[in-house]
Amino acid sequence: ELKVEQNPLFLSMQEGKNYTIYCNYSTTSDRLYWYRQDPGKSLESLFVLLSNGAVKQEGRLMASLDTKARLSTLHITAAVHDLSATYFCAVDETSGSRLTFGEGTQLTVNP
Amino acid sequence: GAVVSQHPSWVICKSGTSVKIECRSLDFQATTMFWYRQFPKQSLMLMATSNEGSKATYEQGVEKDKFLINHASLTLSTLTVTSAHPEDSSFYICSAAIGSSPLHFGNGTRLTVT
Repeated sequence: ELKVEQNPLFLSMQEGKNYTIYCNYSTTSDRLYWYRQDPGKSLESLFVLLSNGAVKQEGRLMASLDTKARLSTLHITAAVHDLSATYFCAVDETSGSRLTFGEGTQLTVNP
Repeated sequence: GAVVSQHPSWVICKSGTSVKIECRSLDFQATTMFWYRQFPKQSLMLMATSNEGSKATYEQGVEKDKFLINHASLTLSTLTVTSAHPEDSSFYICSAAIGSSPLHFGNGTRLTVT
C-alpha cells in the first residue's frame, strides 16, 4: 500500500524567510503533484513532476522530485502572507491518475 | 484550461434523505473521474474511480450501496449519497482525467447532514 508522508504538518514562518516542505512516498513512482488548498476551497494545481530530477518553479515556490530517494520538496523563498494555505503532495502510483495524498502541510506566514 | 464543474457547491439535507452531486468536464471528455472525500483538517481520501459506461471501483471501506456513482457520459459523473447521516457530512471533491494526463479538480461540494 502506497504511503505518502509530508513533513512538517504545521509550519509557521515569518515573511521573508525560506523554508522547505518534504514529501516522502513508499513505492516507486515518477509522477508527483503539488496542490494548494485555501480554507473552504478545492485544490489548486501548483506543480506536476513527471521524471526523476524534475525541477519546476513558479514565483516564490520551487518543487523538485528525486524518484530514487522517493522524495519531493517544495521550497518557499522569501515567504509572503499570501502563501498561507495548506499544501498537499500527491503521488500517482499507477500512472492512471489515481492519486494518494499526503497529510497536508498547513502553512501560516506571519507579517 | 480544462474546467471541471461540480454542483452544488454546498447542500444541507436532513438525515435519511439522499443527495446527488454532479461533476462535469466542461471542455474536454474525461476518460476517468475520481471522487474524493475530505473531513475538516484532514487530507483527501479517494472514495471511488469511475469510467464511462462501466461500474465504479470503490476503495476499501467505502460502501458502494451508500455512495452510488454513475458515469453516464464522458463529461458527467454523479455521486449520490443515499440515506445520509450526520457522519457523512464532509467536503466531496471530484476530479477528471484524460488518460494519464494531469487531473483537473472540481470546486467541491460541502455536504451538511442535520
